[in-house]
Amino acid sequence: AQTVTQSQPEMSVQEAETVTLSCTYDTSESDYYLFWYKQPPSRQMILVIRQEAYKQQNATENRFSVNFQKAAKSFSLKISDSQLGDAAMYFCAYSDAGGTSYGKLTFGQGTILTVHP
Amino acid sequence: DGGITQSPKYLFRKEGQNVTLSCEQNLNHDAMYWYRQDPGQGLRLIYYSQIVNDFQKGDIAEGYSVSREKKESFPLTVTSAQKNPTAFYLCASTYRRAPLNTGELFFGEGSRLTVL
Repeated sequence: AQTVTQSQPEMSVQEAETVTLSCTYDTSESDYYLFWYKQPPSRQMILVIRQEAYKQQNATENRFSVNFQKAAKSFSLKISDSQLGDAAMYFCAYSDAGGTSYGKLTFGQGTILTVHP
Repeated sequence: DGGITQSPKYLFRKEGQNVTLSCEQNLNHDAMYWYRQDPGQGLRLIYYSQIVNDFQKGDIAEGYSVSREKKESFPLTVTSAQKNPTAFYLCASTYRRAPLNTGELFFGEGSRLTVL
């Protein structure tokens, strides 16, 4: 079974600075998706960024980027120019790309990000 | 506006009672999912359904039941057999068919169940 590990229960960053959240995963599949979701205090899960395993290029979405290391099974999230609104719980998640497991996300335990003004 | 609606937001149950959480989506998504969230444990999959009239157990299905009679609806029943039902429950959905099958799950706002 696939597993996702987030080794940082909590992280903090000063406003306007950069922070990196870590995630490792374990799978025997070659084609899969990786995600970072954000859960603010409202508890609504919001997709931050998505990576397809067959793509070598790291995904970016404005101030958010990932460092995808397929051989090392590592998928870290970098938040640049941190803003107060970035404060939330961040979850790393894995999904097989197809078949009967499509859409079944396996989540890490989450990292609470605090942003200091 | 398209989206996923979960109700109720908050629900209190006495021990021994069954309760049903509603999940409705108007996004024309094929697949729907129920996750449970406990503090410090992330989200865990309870049940999922990839087509109408079919559903599969997830990792923690014991004490729960579902139905998928309509594409838009995927209600979750928490039965009295669930030993520790107090948790936050999230419903999600997604497309299965190309070219919209990006794997991304879209989530509802969740339902908080408390057993008294």
